[in-house]
Amino acid sequence: AQKITQTQPGMFVQEKEAVTLDCTYDTSDQSYGLFWYKQPSSGEMIFLIYQGSYDEQNATEGRYSLNFQKARKSANLVISASQLGDSAMYFCAMRERIGRGAQKLVFGQGTRLTINP
Amino acid sequence: GAVVSQHPSRVICKSGTSVKIECRSLDFQATTMFWYRQFPKQSLMLMATSNEGSKATYEQGVEKDKFLINHASLTLSTLTVTSAHPEDSSFYICSARVGLAGGQSRTDTQYFGPGTRLTVL
Repeated sequence: AQKITQTQPGMFVQEKEAVTLDCTYDTSDQSYGLFWYKQPSSGEMIFLIYQGSYDEQNATEGRYSLNFQKARKSANLVISASQLGDSAMYFCAMRERIGRGAQKLVFGQGTRLTINP
Repeated sequence: GAVVSQHPSRVICKSGTSVKIECRSLDFQATTMFWYRQFPKQSLMLMATSNEGSKATYEQGVEKDKFLINHASLTLSTLTVTSAHPEDSSFYICSARVGLAGGQSRTDTQYFGPGTRLTVL
């Protein structure tokens, strides 16, 4: 069963506009972590933002914020004032515990964001 | 901080040869390292998890004898693709986990290397 779902394969946004990338997740754990990574064409995975399941406030990191709605199991990434350099693939991921301190990340399918000048 | 390097960044080899990819955490000791594979326009697929000094844990469907993982120290893990074939051509990316075992905090995060593009002719 898909644990992380990103329903937008591609998004096109005008420069300087805000953009929201959707992510929903499925877990029965009470304690979990949600991440967003950016992957430019070079291939590197860049960590953007983290949200813990017990965090009461939405995470923010500069122009990135995470709209965390626990009851709806969604963790959407909001990028404010988009820039041309934001064009990339964006992956939502959930940290899953697999026993005795071990963990792994489960990734969504990704959303390709294109910022138009 | 939390820089992970990978070497080589790109490799082309002939079918039947073995290729070794190194993953290093440069400024921290990684409790765990992970190896992923990514096909074009697809998401990352976890291949295996390795802890220093112990055998790697492979995901279902990943051939242990095909993809050998050695985690000799807290800063170095290697992936060897043995007897490579064209279908092994892919983007391989490693990550290193910062944080204590059992952690569930922002500091317990995976940081990724820049990836290795393998082409098998």
